[in-house]
Amino acid sequence: GQQLNQSPQSMFIQEGEDVSMNCTSSSIFNTWLWYKQDPGEGPVLLIALYKAGELTSNGRLTAQFGITRKDSFLNISASIPSDVGIYFCAGQRYSGAGSYQLTFGKGTKLSVIP
Amino acid sequence: KAGVTQTPRYLIKTRGQQVTLSCSPISGHRSVSWYQQTPGQGLQFLFEYFSETQRNKGNFPGRFSGRQFSNSRSEMNVSTLELGDSALYLCASSIDRARVLSSYNEQFFGPGTRLTVL
Repeated sequence: GQQLNQSPQSMFIQEGEDVSMNCTSSSIFNTWLWYKQDPGEGPVLLIALYKAGELTSNGRLTAQFGITRKDSFLNISASIPSDVGIYFCAGQRYSGAGSYQLTFGKGTKLSVIP
Repeated sequence: KAGVTQTPRYLIKTRGQQVTLSCSPISGHRSVSWYQQTPGQGLQFLFEYFSETQRNKGNFPGRFSGRQFSNSRSEMNVSTLELGDSALYLCASSIDRARVLSSYNEQFFGPGTRLTVL
């Protein structure tokens, strides 16, 4: 099935550094989402973006919905050890019959060196 | 409020067997979606159930099936297991879209069932 192109695949950063990751798609999505998955857990929603060009913050996280509706980025400022995990982007579009389907990127594995 | 629960958490099967996984959604949630997560393919949508009916389906073979009960609990079944079916199977629940004012109907994920096929 279709997937989003998410980069980078993995990152090793020093505690306190800023992090940036992005997602691109060949097709348009109505909503962009960013999730974080910790080991042994399911993904947890971090930020949802609803409009092209929208810039949204959630604490140290900032995400933007691209103008073309085909891309999004996530920034994490001043990283801390608990930021470790896998970050996924996801695009959502209406599939009909009241159903909204998510398409996921392959994830960015973040490691933070204390 | 309790989160999405999935049972069992871990399962080991052999090729050719079949398996049934269970998902209990958050109380009041009527939609349940299933995803397969593998290192190579990432998170792939399997299907979604709402009010005991499948209303969306991903690109998986017919060996993968599911159902939803009147209490919104859902099960998925995989028949004639193959080695490539080894994966983390995630269930996500969401509230009825028509009752949500925001433009996104958030899906809450369970911890998953880790299936290993030998």
